[in-house]
Amino acid sequence: DGGITQSPKYLFRKEGQNVTLSCEQNLNHDAMYWYRQDPGQGLRLIYYSQIVNDFQKGDIAEGYSVSREKKESFPLTVTSAQKNPTAFYLCASSRTDTGNQPQHFGDGTRLSIL
Amino acid sequence: QQPVQSPQAVILREGEDAVINCSSSKALYSVHWYRQKHGEAPVFLMILLKGGEQKGHEKISASFNEKKQQSSLYLTASQLSYSGTYFCGTELGGATNKLIFGTGTLLAVQP
Repeated sequence: DGGITQSPKYLFRKEGQNVTLSCEQNLNHDAMYWYRQDPGQGLRLIYYSQIVNDFQKGDIAEGYSVSREKKESFPLTVTSAQKNPTAFYLCASSRTDTGNQPQHFGDGTRLSIL
Repeated sequence: QQPVQSPQAVILREGEDAVINCSSSKALYSVHWYRQKHGEAPVFLMILLKGGEQKGHEKISASFNEKKQQSSLYLTASQLSYSGTYFCGTELGGATNKLIFGTGTLLAVQP
């Protein structure tokens, strides 16, 4: 079955440490997205990519970095510059052949600070 | 820029109806609706395009008023499975697929 796989499900970060969240999709979607969700809050866009080797900052990109070397993969690195990284991180993907395409989400990674 | 959803939370008994609103201060190209169960991924419900189109998904339907820059989600004869947080995602420009999500409406359906 096609879908989006995020790993790990839970992640703990020490002060000053960079951590990378994995996102893989086998839906053959061109576009991929990373969102951050804080308790009781909506989804805020961190980065998105509409094609391999290209990505754009979202609304809260500071302290995060991404790469898009393969169509299937869009890893997110939470750097030590992100002072408040504790949150639920969601990866999504969508088609881009026409507009108005639904986004399909992974099950998320919950990141906490030790 | 973030759309405003109302109400923030609503509690229903099974079989009752509810309306969730999503308002934007900017002109909208489309509105997406998603439902998220606690600790799970959001699940796509439907997309509304500008033009006042109304769509349905089982007993859940929605409308999009382009002039008012507002979309409403209608849940009729609610079931326990409808419980969750509902998010609208607004798309400002055509063919970008970039969404700005509202803060969500928590819906709890009780037996």
